[in-house]
Amino acid sequence: SAVISQKPSRDICQRGTSLTIQCQVDSQVTMMFWYRQQPGQSLTLIATANQGSEATYESGFVIDKFPISRPNLTFSTLTVSNMSPEDSSIYLCSVTIDREGTGELFFGEGSRLTVL
Amino acid sequence: GQNIDQPTEMTATEGAIVQINCTYQTSGFNGLFWYQQHAGEAPTFLSYNVLDGLEEKGRFSSFLSRSKGYSYLLLKELQMKDSASYLCAVMDSNYQLIWGAGTKLIIKP
Repeated sequence: SAVISQKPSRDICQRGTSLTIQCQVDSQVTMMFWYRQQPGQSLTLIATANQGSEATYESGFVIDKFPISRPNLTFSTLTVSNMSPEDSSIYLCSVTIDREGTGELFFGEGSRLTVL
Repeated sequence: GQNIDQPTEMTATEGAIVQINCTYQTSGFNGLFWYQQHAGEAPTFLSYNVLDGLEEKGRFSSFLSRSKGYSYLLLKELQMKDSASYLCAVMDSNYQLIWGAGTKLIIKP
């Protein structure tokens, strides 16, 4: 298993500002992902965080809006840039420890952002 | 397109049995997952099915029929702590996870 610490757990932000969310895992993991979950909706994959290279973004998400870093195998950050009320959501870090990346996902507790 | 369908909400009684269905249409199939998510908490893994049939794990069982694009999660001897959202997710041919919107299960005494 993997234990994931994510912070901040929640924040209230002003429109136009940026916020960086940190994700720390207690062991080296193969794959790290960033998800968004809006109330009553599916988990939506934002991007796969790649160690030492640029993240792989899903359709509808771009690096300028959601820059991601992954300097090593246990840590990643997601920045939500130039925030608007539409960015109010829960952002979840998740990892898999399966070598092929096909196994169980472990999730952080999530960061609940409210943009005013 | 790809989609996962599951009921939005279900209600059941403590001690009873409930079945949460999930139907899917995806580009390829590399397994189906069920996750439990309590309000305000992270999702936690419940089960993984890649072959047809029933997988039993304590009070929880998960069934898969690949030919029908169908799965269900069966919860027996319901407890109040089982009140949560249950998320169905399918891994497609590109090993991407496609998530359902979740089924909110309400347990009544």
